[in-house]
Amino acid sequence: DTGVSQDPRHKITKRGQNVTFRCDPISEHNRLYWYRQTLGQGPEFLTYFQNEAQLEKSRLLSDRFSAERPKGSFSTLEIQRTEQGDSAMYLCASSFRGSGELFFGEGSRLTVL
Amino acid sequence: GESVGLHLPTLSVQEGDNSIINCAYSNSASDYFIWYKQESGKGPQFIIDIRSNMDKRQGQRVTVLLNKTVKHLSLQIAATQPGDSAVYFCAEKGYGGSQGNLIFGKGTKLSVKP
Repeated sequence: DTGVSQDPRHKITKRGQNVTFRCDPISEHNRLYWYRQTLGQGPEFLTYFQNEAQLEKSRLLSDRFSAERPKGSFSTLEIQRTEQGDSAMYLCASSFRGSGELFFGEGSRLTVL
Repeated sequence: GESVGLHLPTLSVQEGDNSIINCAYSNSASDYFIWYKQESGKGPQFIIDIRSNMDKRQGQRVTVLLNKTVKHLSLQIAATQPGDSAVYFCAEKGYGGSQGNLIFGKGTKLSVKP
């Protein structure tokens, strides 16, 4: 399978715990994006990388959120001290630079109890 | 707060009919628009895109129309099939300093009746 893969697909955690999601993009793609999606809404942009450089972060990305792409390949999104409002689907996507055609993974669903 | 999940615009069509899904955008400076399809439990999937220097673009069974005067975008699906049932999102390329991300609308749920 050469698509975008995300892990884990589902995560249930208690409020206050830290969680980390991993994304493996399509190997030839140099851009990697993180989006968040809640029920009935479109995806909301969180951040994106070009290679290993984090070029843009949304104001939605509070200081409890951190994303890395250390070698310009896979990326991790960590949420510290989770809150119930963090419950959402976290989507990763990749693309070639400048292309609007983002290839999304199937997402990591987070439930914070 | 509002339960937006209960207010997702819905379009119900008969199999074989044509579907038209509409989208309004707010920023006249947006120059690139994309339609995505999202099936239940999956990530969004690219359908078709259009740049602001075009009014119309056709793909396989799909056509996107762009009316910059009224900032309106539409997706037409010909001969709608049950497999077209999904939520459809329009998205615009970020403007100003936000050139790296897409801004998604709220989506329209398309239901195809056999």
